[in-house]
Amino acid sequence: AQTVTQSQPEMSVQEAETVTLSCTYDTSESDYYLFWYKQPPSRQMILVIRQEAYKQQNATENRFSVNFQKAAKSFSLKISDSQLGDAAMYFCAYRPPNTGNQFYFGTGTSLTVIP
Amino acid sequence: DTGVSQNPRHKITKRGQNVTFRCDPISEHNRLYWYRQTLGQGPEFLTYFQNEAQLEKSRLLSDRFSAERPKGSFSTLEIQRTEQGDSAMYLCASSLYPMAGGGEKLFFGSGTQLSVL
Repeated sequence: AQTVTQSQPEMSVQEAETVTLSCTYDTSESDYYLFWYKQPPSRQMILVIRQEAYKQQNATENRFSVNFQKAAKSFSLKISDSQLGDAAMYFCAYRPPNTGNQFYFGTGTSLTVIP
Repeated sequence: DTGVSQNPRHKITKRGQNVTFRCDPISEHNRLYWYRQTLGQGPEFLTYFQNEAQLEKSRLLSDRFSAERPKGSFSTLEIQRTEQGDSAMYLCASSLYPMAGGGEKLFFGSGTQLSVL
């Protein structure tokens, strides 16, 4: 079974500091895709970053980067220079390769940014 | 590109009534997904379409739920004989599959918040 676990229901970070959100997943596949989505109070899910499992290099998008540890099935999100607008729910998601087309989401981490 | 549009934003209904939600995907996207999200949880897959064909349905999708995408553009999700347990945010997402470089990215709408009284 494919599951995604986010063990931190809530996190907080001081503005301009760095925070890391954790995600682990369970799969027997060797090739798949991982995502971090942000859901602000407006409730619209916004794609933050995407990682292909076959790529060893960690994905980076401006202040957002991931630490992808394939053997450990870990996919953490690092937010650098945190801004007030980063406050949101963050969801980790897994998508299998060609077998099945679901995206599996974790339960989310609520991030508070302290001014 | 105006993004994924969902209507209505909010729907309040009485138990036993039927409700219908609409989703307009990004115009060039061939895939359209419906997810349900309850408070404190991540989105749960309900069903998806590739063009007009409904290719997969979750076991969460009881026979009271039906989704259509008649012309491969907009989609509707109907819930018949609503129950209080149906109260949730219903999210629509679309994607272009396959995307350049492989894989897929979902683009979400703002959702329809359903409250069943």
